[in-house]
Amino acid sequence: QQKVQQSPESLTVSEGAMASLNCTFSDGTSDNFRWYRQHSAKGLEVLVSIFSDGEKEEGRFTAHLNRASLHVSLHIREPQPSDSAVYLCAMTGNNNNRIFFGDGTQLVVKP
Amino acid sequence: DAGVTQTPRHEVAEKGQTIILKCEPVSGHNDLFWYRQTKIQGLELLSYFRSKSLMEDGGAFKDRFKAEMLNSSFSTLKIQPTEPKDSAVYLCASSLDWGAYEQYFGPGTRLTVL
Repeated sequence: QQKVQQSPESLTVSEGAMASLNCTFSDGTSDNFRWYRQHSAKGLEVLVSIFSDGEKEEGRFTAHLNRASLHVSLHIREPQPSDSAVYLCAMTGNNNNRIFFGDGTQLVVKP
Repeated sequence: DAGVTQTPRHEVAEKGQTIILKCEPVSGHNDLFWYRQTKIQGLELLSYFRSKSLMEDGGAFKDRFKAEMLNSSFSTLKIQPTEPKDSAVYLCASSLDWGAYEQYFGPGTRLTVL
């Protein structure tokens, strides 16, 4: 079963500074990876989906995947206070629709 | 286009009660998932349906948790009897199909068991 570890547990950045979140996984056979955002009292919102090694950009959000090093990251360019939320990385197993989630990173963006 | 809807948004129950949470998936989606989210355990899969058939029933959650999907547009999660440790946010998600398709999440039901 896939194990997903996120770091840091919490991160505080100033508005406009780059925010970087990390995720490592135990098994390189997953074939798709996603970053979700969860505002308090709201459901999960998918930010970026990435299916191959390299980089994928969606607006201010960029995911980097390196399957060989079992690592996927999320970089948030020019973060705003409204980006304050819990960010979860997730990966889908390659033979079913089961998603394995990390425990999340609490991001706080200070004005 | 309506997303995943969940009701109620908040539920308070006494220990030992039976509660039923409801979910309506995105129209046309074939897969439906129930998750439990707590600060300690994070997101845990409870049940997974594909085209209304139960594919996964959550192992450790089997004894008091029962998810049903009587039609393609409605699912319920019954917890009977509730225990204080069941206090959590329960999330429902749906997906068009397996593989690369996104899972769309509802806003969740926050359950507090006293």
